[in-house]
Amino acid sequence: NAGVTQTPKFQVLKTGQSMTLQCAQDMNHEYMSWYRQDPGMGLRLIHYSVGAGITDQGEVPNGYNVSRSTTEDFPLRLLSAAPSQTSVYFCASSWTGATNEKLFFGSGTQLSVL
Amino acid sequence: KNEVEQSPQNLTAQEGEFITINCSYSVGISALHWLQQHPGGGIVSLFMLSSGKKKHGRLIATINIQEKHSSLHITASHPRDSAVYICAVRSPSRNNDMRFGAGTRLTVKP
Repeated sequence: NAGVTQTPKFQVLKTGQSMTLQCAQDMNHEYMSWYRQDPGMGLRLIHYSVGAGITDQGEVPNGYNVSRSTTEDFPLRLLSAAPSQTSVYFCASSWTGATNEKLFFGSGTQLSVL
Repeated sequence: KNEVEQSPQNLTAQEGEFITINCSYSVGISALHWLQQHPGGGIVSLFMLSSGKKKHGRLIATINIQEKHSSLHITASHPRDSAVYICAVRSPSRNNDMRFGAGTRLTVKP
């Protein structure tokens, strides 16, 4: 099994450009989420989804959009990139998002916005 | 103040030493997770705790709900244990969102 696959691994953008970070899982997980990781800070939740067609905001949603058209895919869109969005991004999934469930993480995307 | 605090921030040990990483949290929780992040790699879930103690190989995780504190111990540490260890909690008061500590960077020297 591939688990959680994130692409790209690295990306450099100019301020104002748009891009989509891809996340796919092959474990039939209902719950998927996006986090950003900044130096000296813990991971912070951006958006999450509890199933196809259902998304909600996390702790730091501004500047990001998501959609969930299938169980497998949960892309994260930056519509107009800003230097403050320079970060490492992780996608994660679990069966239902219940508190006793293990999270499976992707390998991360390092994004720089100039 | 962060809701999840880890100590120490950085830790260097000699191979074979016993390691302890601490996590304190300030919110009510339904579960606490310990994660491992290798340099250049992704994040792997090590333990999920809601009470007591769990052991997996040389790793032991404990939690004291009353004191809002958890520890991760590594016995007979090895250079391959070098990684960032992250504590995370799920809080019912925050819609079960996960809150993460900033991580403890462990370096084990041969």
